Amino acid sequence: DGGITQSPKYLFRKEGQNVTLSCEQNLNHDAMYWYRQDPGQGLRLIYYSQIVNDFQKGDIAEGYSVSREKKESFPLTVTSAQKNPTAFYLCASRGMTGPNQPQHFGDGTRLSIL
Amino acid sequence: GDSVTQMEGPVTLSEEAFLTINCTYTATGYPSLFWYVQYPGEGLQLLLKATKADDKGSNKGFEATYRKETTSFHLEKGSVQVSDSAVYFCALSGLSGNTPLVFGKGTRLSVIA
Repeated sequence: DGGITQSPKYLFRKEGQNVTLSCEQNLNHDAMYWYRQDPGQGLRLIYYSQIVNDFQKGDIAEGYSVSREKKESFPLTVTSAQKNPTAFYLCASRGMTGPNQPQHFGDGTRLSIL
Repeated sequence: GDSVTQMEGPVTLSEEAFLTINCTYTATGYPSLFWYVQYPGEGLQLLLKATKADDKGSNKGFEATYRKETTSFHLEKGSVQVSDSAVYFCALSGLSGNTPLVFGKGTRLSVIA
């Protein structure tokens, strides 16, 4: 079945450590997105990419970095500069054939501080 | 810019009650409109969509009609179940489809037996 796979499901970060969240899709979608969701809150866009080797900052990019070396993969690194990383992180993808295309979401990664 | 406004939650209903979650939008032209559902600890799932005025999206007993005159896309269900307890997000896509969806803040629904 086609879909989006996020791993790991749970991740713990120590002080001063960078951690990388994985996102892989086999939907042949051009665009991919990373969102942060805090408890009881909505979605905030971190980064997005519409094509390989290109990406744009979202609303809360500080303390995060991404790469898009392959169409299928869009990993997110939470750097030590992100002082409050505890949150639920969601990856999404979308076909770019028109405005009626929905975004498809993975099951999320929950990141906590040790 | 484009924006989506949803009714504040949480919404608490008894089983078999009628559900309405209001959603209004501001956008240039005629965007595509979506409702997503998020169950606890999971990602968002597409519930339904409508791509032009007067379209009605429907799925799993939920319905929403694209109302251009009132710029609204309210979600309704005639008889909710405990299993419908979740957070519901309204979203729109701009005309080009080249930018991320714009999401509302979400409305938490709790259905009690």
